[in-house]
Amino acid sequence: EVQLVESGGGLVQPGGSLRVSCAASGFIFRDYSMKWVRQGPGKGLEWVSYISSSSSTIYYADSVKGRFTISRDNAKNSLYLQMNSLRVEDTAVYYCAVGPEYCSGGNCYWGYYYSMDVWGQGTTVTVSS
Amino acid sequence: EIVLTQSPGTLSLSPGERATLSCRASQSISSSYLAWYQQKPGQAPRLLFYDASSRATGTPDRFSGSGSGTDFTLTISRLEPEDFAVYYCQQYGSTLFTFGPGTKVDIK
Repeated sequence: EVQLVESGGGLVQPGGSLRVSCAASGFIFRDYSMKWVRQGPGKGLEWVSYISSSSSTIYYADSVKGRFTISRDNAKNSLYLQMNSLRVEDTAVYYCAVGPEYCSGGNCYWGYYYSMDVWGQGTTVTVSS
Repeated sequence: EIVLTQSPGTLSLSPGERATLSCRASQSISSSYLAWYQQKPGQAPRLLFYDASSRATGTPDRFSGSGSGTDFTLTISRLEPEDFAVYYCQQYGSTLFTFGPGTKVDIK
């Protein structure tokens, strides 16, 4: 079964740090790009960050650039998001998700025709004093 | 940054009615790299369409996606009870994968 399981959420004070993790199983993790998406309480979805399968390409939303760092460990089938200088407005459920790039045999393909759409159940980060 | 605008914000309809949801981009989306997601309370989003009009696995035939450039549409031909949810569009054609604010389809 293809599965993503997030962990590491919790309560942190403004200005603090937290690292959330995402454990992947049931698919060849190293072949897929990954992303983090968050959803504040009662709010819509907000894309946070993207990392390619080899970690060679990384993107961040302007709202987190310079404060958050995405990384992955393909040997451990794990994705991470290190969050520093946290703000009240970073309070959200953080989802990890697969895609949209798939790489195989040295070739990479963009889009969900080649990749797949799999999401975790989310981990809650609360920034409050 | 490509800004996505969805309309209407809320659509109140009855089961069996047709729903038309709009997603407009502030600039043309490369290769129609636009996705539609459905989200129900307490659940992660679920992909319905990618590349604007390609149906994801498990998306019922009553759903259709269309559009290109800056204007995209998600249509539900006849609403079923399980279709009442929030729908988001998202573009993945630039280095910032923006989401639209969502359209809530609720029961009239």
